[in-house]
Amino acid sequence: TQLLEQSPQFLSIQEGENLTVYCNSSSVFSSLQWYRQEPGEGPVLLVTVVTGGEVKKLKRLTFQFGDARKDSSLHITAAQPGDTGLYLCAGGGGSNYKLTFGKGTLLTVNP
Amino acid sequence: GAGVSQSPSNKVTEKGKDVELRCDPISGHTALYWYRQSLGQGLEFLIYFQGNSAPDKSGLPSDRFSAERTGGSVSTLTIQRTQQEDSAVYLCASSLGLAGDEQYFGPGTRLTVT
Repeated sequence: TQLLEQSPQFLSIQEGENLTVYCNSSSVFSSLQWYRQEPGEGPVLLVTVVTGGEVKKLKRLTFQFGDARKDSSLHITAAQPGDTGLYLCAGGGGSNYKLTFGKGTLLTVNP
Repeated sequence: GAGVSQSPSNKVTEKGKDVELRCDPISGHTALYWYRQSLGQGLEFLIYFQGNSAPDKSGLPSDRFSAERTGGSVSTLTIQRTQQEDSAVYLCASSLGLAGDEQYFGPGTRLTVT
């Protein structure tokens, strides 16, 4: 069974601070996706990384896929209250349709 | 265009009753997925449809759970003889159908079994 461990589970910071969220596994994934979920809504895809060592940037968010494709990180620069939400990582297998999700990091950015 | 819709948004039922949860995918999306999200847990894969066929039912937790999809569109997830441990948010997602396509999620149905 493939498992994804996310850390930290909870994170509360002040506006303007930087933060990093981690997603780790002992298994290799063909792709790694990051989602953001707000209360009462479904997850929304932020990014997909597929190549070991790949780095993608989305405005103030930087996503990295580990060289061995077993881990990933999400770094947010100068966090804003609008970044508040549950951040989920999900690993894709060979077929990519079946995603294995981590338990998520609940981020609160205080004004 | 419209996104994935699910109904009802909330369902409270008594233990032992049957429930049906509905998912309307994005028009034209051939793939449809059901997930379960419990408090403090990540999303748990339940079942995947390609068209009206379900090539992967491996995530269904017990034989009390079943799902069908008709006309390559609407899907229904049925839970028979509900138990308290079935309480969770049930999420549906759809995608164009090619491997690796982005999955678009609905808002979910929050099921509470009392």
